[in-house]
Amino acid sequence: KQEVTQIPAALSVPEGENLVLNCSFTDSAIYNLQWFRQDPGKGLTSLLLIQSSQREQTSGRLNASLDKSSGRSTLYIAASQPGDSATYLCAVRRGSSASKIIFGSGTRLSIRP
Amino acid sequence: EAGVTQFPSHSVIEKGQTVTLRCDPISGHDNLYWYRRVMGKEIKFLLHFVKESKQDESGMPNNRFLAERTGGTYSTLKVQPAELEDSGVYFCASSQVMGVGYTFGSGTRLTVV
Repeated sequence: KQEVTQIPAALSVPEGENLVLNCSFTDSAIYNLQWFRQDPGKGLTSLLLIQSSQREQTSGRLNASLDKSSGRSTLYIAASQPGDSATYLCAVRRGSSASKIIFGSGTRLSIRP
Repeated sequence: EAGVTQFPSHSVIEKGQTVTLRCDPISGHDNLYWYRRVMGKEIKFLLHFVKESKQDESGMPNNRFLAERTGGTYSTLKVQPAELEDSGVYFCASSQVMGVGYTFGSGTRLTVV
């Protein structure tokens, strides 16, 4: 049974710092991994999707890496801004025919001005 | 383009009552998913529609939950009778291609008292 874990559960850093959010999963047989962002009272927004054959994806100040063999992914945020404050979730999909994605419990990030 | 719309945004009902949640996906998205997050837990998959057909309903917790998507457009999720443990946030998402390109709604916060 796939389990996705995100540590830490909460993180507070001053503006301008670079930071790393961690995600681990127990079953390395994944099809892809996604990072989402959720703002309070809002839906989830997909940030980055990494296919199992890829090592990383970049979008602006965000970089996500994937090490499938060790069951780990990281989301790197460069030069953090107060607007980056949100809950960040990672989720894995087992196969191309799988309907569901399995979420971690998220990291609540707060960027202090 | 309009996003995924869910209503109501909040619902407070008494144990034993019935509640119906509605989701309007993005027009043209054949894939519609329901997820929920109960207090302190991860977001978990409930079911997946492809058009009007249930592709995967393995996440439905019990037979008190009934999902429909008549005509392959909007979907409803009915809980009858509601129990205290059903409290949480129910998210709907849609996508054009299964498993990728999700757009999530803002969720319905259900409180059963």
